Amino acid sequence: EAGVTQSPTHLIKTRGQQATLRCSPISGHTSVYWYQQALGLGLQFLLWYDEGEERNRGNFPPRFSGRQFPNYSSELNVNALELEDSALYLCASSLGDLGTGEFFGPGTRLTVL
Amino acid sequence: AQTVTQSQPEMSVQEAETVTLSCTYDTSENNYYLFWYKQPPSRQMILVIRQEAYKQQNATENRFSVNFQKAAKSFSLKISDSQLGDTAMYFCAFMKLGSSNTGKLIFGQGTTLQVKP
Repeated sequence: EAGVTQSPTHLIKTRGQQATLRCSPISGHTSVYWYQQALGLGLQFLLWYDEGEERNRGNFPPRFSGRQFPNYSSELNVNALELEDSALYLCASSLGDLGTGEFFGPGTRLTVL
Repeated sequence: AQTVTQSQPEMSVQEAETVTLSCTYDTSENNYYLFWYKQPPSRQMILVIRQEAYKQQNATENRFSVNFQKAAKSFSLKISDSQLGDTAMYFCAFMKLGSSNTGKLIFGQGTTLQVKP
């Protein structure tokens, strides 16, 4: 069974640009989650999508947005990039709230120069 | 609001020995799950073990077991027969479930474990 996949592996942008990160969940999983892992800040919840809808978002500004497609894959967009957006962005998927735990992808390392 | 605390930033253990990582949490919820995740240098987060709050029996997965003390809000991870491949950062995480589910894992700060040969 293929795991959660993310692309690209690395992304380098400059301040003010936009970044798009992609995630494909494990087959059969309908929920996709995004987390930011920034140095010194730990793992912070960003967004939760389930069945194509945004169910919850963490304490991040509106320039962090995303969507979930009919095939349950997801995209995270970060507009007007700032230096502090540099982080590892992890995507995870799960079978809703069945307590199976969330299965994570390898992450996208975003560097903002 | 829920919080998860891991008070040991770094630990080390000799290969084949046993090590215990500590985690405490704070919540007023009754219906929740607790997890331990492993993040090796490759950065892939791997689910190690999970515990349902309503189950009194401690979860075990091969060499990994937990000591879940619900009243004390403590959730420690014991790794037996440590292997070099266990070297990683370990995160304790909390998720509330049921009608109040937010879909959100709340993570502790992490404990870096080094297994020495």
